[in-house]
Amino acid sequence: NAGVIQTPRHKVTGKGQEATLWCEPISGHSAVFWYRQTIVQGLEFLTYFRNQAPIDDSGMPKERFSAQMPNQSHSTLKIQSTQPQDSAVYLCASSRTGGDSDYTFGSGTRLLVI
Amino acid sequence: GQQVQQSPASLVLQEGENAELQCNFSTSLNSMQWFYQRPGGSLVSLFYNPSGTKHSGRLTSTTVIKERRSSLHISSSQTTDSGTYLCALEHGSSGNKLIFGIGTLLSVKP
Repeated sequence: NAGVIQTPRHKVTGKGQEATLWCEPISGHSAVFWYRQTIVQGLEFLTYFRNQAPIDDSGMPKERFSAQMPNQSHSTLKIQSTQPQDSAVYLCASSRTGGDSDYTFGSGTRLLVI
Repeated sequence: GQQVQQSPASLVLQEGENAELQCNFSTSLNSMQWFYQRPGGSLVSLFYNPSGTKHSGRLTSTTVIKERRSSLHISSSQTTDSGTYLCALEHGSSGNKLIFGIGTLLSVKP
């Protein structure tokens, strides 16, 4: 079990460019979550899929951010026209059904927008 | 206002001392979890503890729902315990997402 895999580990983009972050959940886990971590705000929920269907995207900024889960083996978070304030560590987590004791986080993608 | 509040914000211990970390929440609770994060590292689940007391080695977690609090006790601290400890709750209307506290930064000196 390789755990939740996130790629890339680090990404540097210029302001206005697009960034796509990838997450491979643990096999057999049907719930996939995206969070964002900054020094100022701490860990913030972004969005959540169960069985590939979007369940809750209440934490997603309304513009420029989108997330998809085209199959059960990966999810993507896309940020269009990146801004310096998007700089953060983006964390993906999975669990068997959501709300379980086996909530497992990936190592995160550190995004820097310059 | 903030639904999950952690205290203290930071804590410095000498190796061997005990620590008590607090998490207070202002909403109803489905579950409470404690995580550990090393600087630059991922989150590691320590406890899934919706109520009562759980033990794991030198760590003890106690959640008292009607008092809206959870605590994490670290006994005989070691330098390798240094890092950030985060509590997170899942409550009824939030679906399955976790709402995190800001964390307690623990530093254990040799």
